[in-house]
Amino acid sequence: EAGVTQFPSHSVIEKGQTVTLRCDPISGHDNLYWYRRVMGKEIKFLLHFVKESKQDESGMPNNRFLAERTGGTYSTLKVQPAELEDSGVYFCASSQVSLFPGTQYFGPGTRLLVL
Amino acid sequence: EDKVVQSPLSLVVHEGDTVTLNCSYEVTNFRSLLWYKQEKKAPTFLFMLTSSGIEKKSGRLSSILDKKELFSILNITATQTGDSAVYLCAVETYSGAGSYQLTFGKGTKLSVIP
Repeated sequence: EAGVTQFPSHSVIEKGQTVTLRCDPISGHDNLYWYRRVMGKEIKFLLHFVKESKQDESGMPNNRFLAERTGGTYSTLKVQPAELEDSGVYFCASSQVSLFPGTQYFGPGTRLLVL
Repeated sequence: EDKVVQSPLSLVVHEGDTVTLNCSYEVTNFRSLLWYKQEKKAPTFLFMLTSSGIEKKSGRLSSILDKKELFSILNITATQTGDSAVYLCAVETYSGAGSYQLTFGKGTKLSVIP
């Protein structure tokens, strides 16, 4: 079974540019999450999709970040315009919908550097 | 604000040693506690703990949760160089409206030297 995949693995852009990150969850997982780790800090929650619906976007830092999950399969996270403080590793995770705790499986992350 | 604290932040041991990693938490609406191992890329799942006092075991790794004292430990016996990684502790909480999220600690970086 394929795991969570993310694209690209690395991205270097200039301040003010736009970047779009993609996440493909494990097949059949309706829950999809975005997290971010900035240098020296812990991994922080950004948002949670159930299928194509945003269930919780309380962790999104500001309106320069836009996440979508059209069709309830893969998701994109767009940063526009990018700022220096957006640099970090962006992780995606997915889990099955369940009444019981569902393990979140993580992708390898996209390492974003804004210059 | 939900908080997860891991200790130590970094640990260097020799092959064959036994190590204990600590994770304490202060959260609202606790659902589970998870341990992940992160080598180069994706954090890989190790354990999920929901009940106090029940040890979960996988080979040389084991973990236990104390919901009264709000902490968990991850034990690794007879360490090997392949155990070198960052070990992440995360607490899953219910944030309302059917949503769950993980709050992570900063991780413990374990280095096992031959």
